[in-house]
Amino acid sequence: AQSVSQHNHHVILSEAASLELGCNYSYGGTVNLFWYVQYPGQHLQLLLKYFSGDPLVKGIKGFEAEFIKSKFSFNLRKPSVQWSDTAEYFCAVTPNQAGTALIFGKGTTLSVSS
Amino acid sequence: NAGVTQTPKFRVLKTGQSMTLLCAQDMNHEYMYWYRQDPGMGLRLIHYSVGEGTTAKGEVPDGYNVSRLKKQNFLLGLESAAPSQTSVYFCASSYIQGNSPLHFGNGTRLTVT
Repeated sequence: AQSVSQHNHHVILSEAASLELGCNYSYGGTVNLFWYVQYPGQHLQLLLKYFSGDPLVKGIKGFEAEFIKSKFSFNLRKPSVQWSDTAEYFCAVTPNQAGTALIFGKGTTLSVSS
Repeated sequence: NAGVTQTPKFRVLKTGQSMTLLCAQDMNHEYMYWYRQDPGMGLRLIHYSVGEGTTAKGEVPDGYNVSRLKKQNFLLGLESAAPSQTSVYFCASSYIQGNSPLHFGNGTRLTVT
């Protein structure tokens, strides 16, 4: 079964700092990769996704992620964070085959101080 | 569009009581999921369904049952609630598996005393 590991449990940054959140997965086959964001008191929303093609994908609000197949990684980045980026971030993976479901990492809490 | 609607939003149960959480989606999605969210544990998949009349176990299925009698509804049942089932439960749906993003409901906060 696939699994997802997020390296950082809690990240604290000042506004304008750069962000990189690590995500590694374990699955030998083709996968689909996602980052979701959960703002305080809200449900999860899709930030970006990777299915195939260019391994550098851009999402909403200036976020991007790079898929490195050899490292089984899908790290999330943002050049300059804002206070409004304070949220919990989840990496998720699903094998590219029918009948399977999305598995999430444990999440990383990002706190941005103004 | 309502999207994914979960009822109830909050519930308090005593140990041993039963209840059913209802999830309804109006997007004609084939796939539906139930997750639970606990601090430090992320979202863990309880059960999911790949279509009407089908269900499958996820990562943490014990103590829960599900049914998908109609395509738009996915019910999560707790037959005998335990304090360990205190959590926030999220329902989600997707059009097809794999490369379709999930659409989440607003969650149900369940407390079992």
